[in-house]
Amino acid sequence: NAGVTQTPKFRILKIGQSMTLQCAQDMNHNYMYWYRQDPGMGLKLIYYSVGAGITDKGEVPNGYNVSRSTTEDFPLRLELAAPSQTSVYFCASRSGTSVTNEQFFGPGTRLTVL
Amino acid sequence: AQSVTQLGSHVSVSEGALVLLRCNYSSSVPPYLFWYVQYPNQGLQLLLKYTTGATLVKGINGFEAEFKKSETSFHLTKPSAHMSDAAEYFCAVTPMIYNQGGKLIFGQGTELSVKP
Repeated sequence: NAGVTQTPKFRILKIGQSMTLQCAQDMNHNYMYWYRQDPGMGLKLIYYSVGAGITDKGEVPNGYNVSRSTTEDFPLRLELAAPSQTSVYFCASRSGTSVTNEQFFGPGTRLTVL
Repeated sequence: AQSVTQLGSHVSVSEGALVLLRCNYSSSVPPYLFWYVQYPNQGLQLLLKYTTGATLVKGINGFEAEFKKSETSFHLTKPSAHMSDAAEYFCAVTPMIYNQGGKLIFGQGTELSVKP
């Protein structure tokens, strides 16, 4: 199992550009999450999905969009990138049998918006 | 709203010394509690969790944590630090009720340094 994979690892964007951060998992997990990590702030939930076709906002969804057309993939779309979106982005997944099940994290995407 | 506070953004210990990382949560109903570790340039991985039952929880790599309801705390300890323990540690909670999606709420993290 590859687990949770994310691409790209690094990206520099100019203000106003758009991009999609890719996330895939091969564990057949129903639940998937997108977090952003800023220094000294911990991780904040951007969006999450409880299954294909079902997504919902987290704590900090403004400026982002998601879709979930398959169980495996959960891409995060940034429209009109802003410097405030400079961050490290983590995707995670877990199986759906219990809220106490471990979330498995990808290696992250480091995004800089200049 | 639930929140998690980790006391100390940086903790430095000598190799072989006790590691103590502090975590307090705010909630009228005790949540489920987790500790995650993040090694440099990697994603997070689960160290241990408390759900129900025994309040002293053992995790990987010799770490353990004790849930104290009266103190709303879930501090992480390890009797003897190793150089390989240097990492950032995150305390997290997930509410027991009204928790659509099983969302985690993270503390701000504590960076642990281990001196030789």
